[in-house]
Formats: sequence, C-alpha cells, structure tokens
Amino acid sequence: DTGVSQDPRHKITKRGQNVTFRCDPISEHNRLYWYRQTLGQGPEFLTYFQNEAQLEKSRLLSDRFSAERPKGSFSTLEIQRTEQGDSAMYLCASSLDRGFSGANVLTFGAGSRLTVL
Amino acid sequence: AQTVTQSQPEMSVQEAETVTLSCTYDTSESDYYLFWYKQPPSRQMILVIRQEAYKQQNATENRFSVNFQKAAKSFSLKISDSQLGDAAMYFCAYRSDNYGQNFVFGPGTRLSVLP
Repeated sequence: DTGVSQDPRHKITKRGQNVTFRCDPISEHNRLYWYRQTLGQGPEFLTYFQNEAQLEKSRLLSDRFSAERPKGSFSTLEIQRTEQGDSAMYLCASSLDRGFSGANVLTFGAGSRLTVL
Repeated sequence: AQTVTQSQPEMSVQEAETVTLSCTYDTSESDYYLFWYKQPPSRQMILVIRQEAYKQQNATENRFSVNFQKAAKSFSLKISDSQLGDAAMYFCAYRSDNYGQNFVFGPGTRLSVLP
C-alpha cells in the first residue's frame, strides 16, 4: 500500500470553471476526510465519510462543493463555478475506525493545490 | 464547538537544543484525544505523537514528548536534541471521543532549526 494518493497535485483554472479532485485512501481504511488548507493556516474540516456514507459536512462546504465516495473506496471532491477564494490546498486523509472508543489516526495525502485565476 | 489555539506562529531553536511548542484547546468534554502533526515544507502531514485524555501519563516518542495538563486544557510538545529535519509546521489537533467527530486543528507553529 502506497498510502493516501491525491490527484491532481496541482490544478490551475479560470474563475467559473469546475474542478474535480480524487483521493485514494489506504485500502483498509473506512473513514475518509477532506480538509482545506490556506497558506500558513491549519487544515479546515470540510467533510468526512464512513465507508460510502457522508456523515458530516462543514458550513464551509457551500452548495458549489460536492463530495462522493462511491462503494466506500476512492472519493471525489468537485467544486463548481470556482471562485478566487477557493484557491487553497485540498487535503485528503483516511483512518481506520473500529466503531468503538479509540484514537483513530489520520494519514494524510500530499494534497491537491488549486489556483483559481 | 471545540477550538484549538497555538499562540506561537513561529519558533526557532538551535540544533541539538530543546524547544517547546504550546497548544491550548477549549472543550466541555471529558474524553478526547490530542495530536501533534508535522508538515515539512512541500511535504505531507505526518503524525508526531498522540495523547488520550483519560491517560495521566504524558506520551513520549523518542525525542518528542508532551506535557498534557487536562485541567488547564494545555498540550505542549517538547522536542529534544533538535535536528535540521525537525524544521516544519507543527499542528496541534483535537478529536472528540464521541463517535462521529472530526479532527479540529490549530493554526500551526512554524519551527526553524538553526545550525
């Protein structure tokens, strides 16, 4: 297993265009998280999945954002009608949650950097 | 909602010396987990150390140790014998023990290691 993979690593787009990011988690991990990170700041939570179910969404996730995790494997994060304020690093992380109290640990991908011109 | 504060935007340390990074958090819960993550320049974030709130003993991982003060809601990271490879952004993170809670990260501290 090569860890958490994200694609593309860099995306430059014009305002108003749609973009999609893909995340492939560690294969045995049942939880998948999306975070957004702007320069010099900590990651901000966007959403997470338990298998294929999207269990929580942040207020940051406007109607232009949508995330899916079909079949509980890879996940996609789509941003429609991009705005300059969407420019950020989009981080994916996965973890194994066994359904009982315990500290599941996030394993992060390298991130997908979005620049909106 | 839980919040995590890191009051030191930047820190520096001489190689081989010891440095302590501060973290405080706000929560009304009694059971939770705390983490320190490291993000080297242009590289992915990796776990440094974690602490369960129900454990009184401070966690230690080689040169990294924490000072967990539950009553004060403080969780500092001590790096001993600092190495050039320790230079990175360090993020403190909180996770509730309630099932279904996400991780909350602080704003980070940029650590420079001086040769």
